[in-house]
Amino acid sequence: KNQVEQSPQSLIILEGKNCTLQCNYTVSPFSNLRWYKQDTGRGPVSLTIMTFSENTKSNGRYTATLDADTKQSSLHITASQLSDSASYICVVSAQAGTALIFGKGTTLSVSS
Amino acid sequence: DADVTQTPRNRITKTGKRIMLECSQTKGHDRMYWYRQDPGLGLRLIYYSFDVKDINKGEISDGYSVSRQAQAKFSLSLESAIPNQTALYFCATSETGSKLFFGSGTQLSVL
Repeated sequence: KNQVEQSPQSLIILEGKNCTLQCNYTVSPFSNLRWYKQDTGRGPVSLTIMTFSENTKSNGRYTATLDADTKQSSLHITASQLSDSASYICVVSAQAGTALIFGKGTTLSVSS
Repeated sequence: DADVTQTPRNRITKTGKRIMLECSQTKGHDRMYWYRQDPGLGLRLIYYSFDVKDINKGEISDGYSVSRQAQAKFSLSLESAIPNQTALYFCATSETGSKLFFGSGTQLSVL
């Protein structure tokens, strides 16, 4: 069964600290993996996409990694800011993009 | 202006009422989707459409129906609302099926 598991479910960190969110998947055949950021009261917005051949990709203070062998991805946030407080959703696309499998998300709270 | 617009933003209704949620987009995408989001359950697909003549059920379509009136418009109807349909509803569009562009959501409460 195609599944996407995210951990932790929630996380609280102090402003300026780093954090790492995890995504494990059992989707086959794999096409790509996206990380979305969802601010409270808004729809999710794509942060980055990882394809099979990519190991690391950065988008500002966000760095995503992918290990296709172990079927794991991580999203690392550097020097967190209050505006990073949001839910982060991992979405895996099966081959040809015909099916999207959503994780339940990690809720990050950054406090001052 | 938003690329994907949902109306209304909030709606409170009573059990048994018929309601419609509307979605319009200016992105020119053929693919449109309706999702619901519940705390602890994440986003779940209700219906999707790959063009005006194409309508497909998602994983939780029971109790819902949709209409694709034009490439830019995709509406979701609850024929007889029930309390467990209380949720946050999102419309999304996509060009290729990978990257989704979401609206701001409709918070629906069924009393």
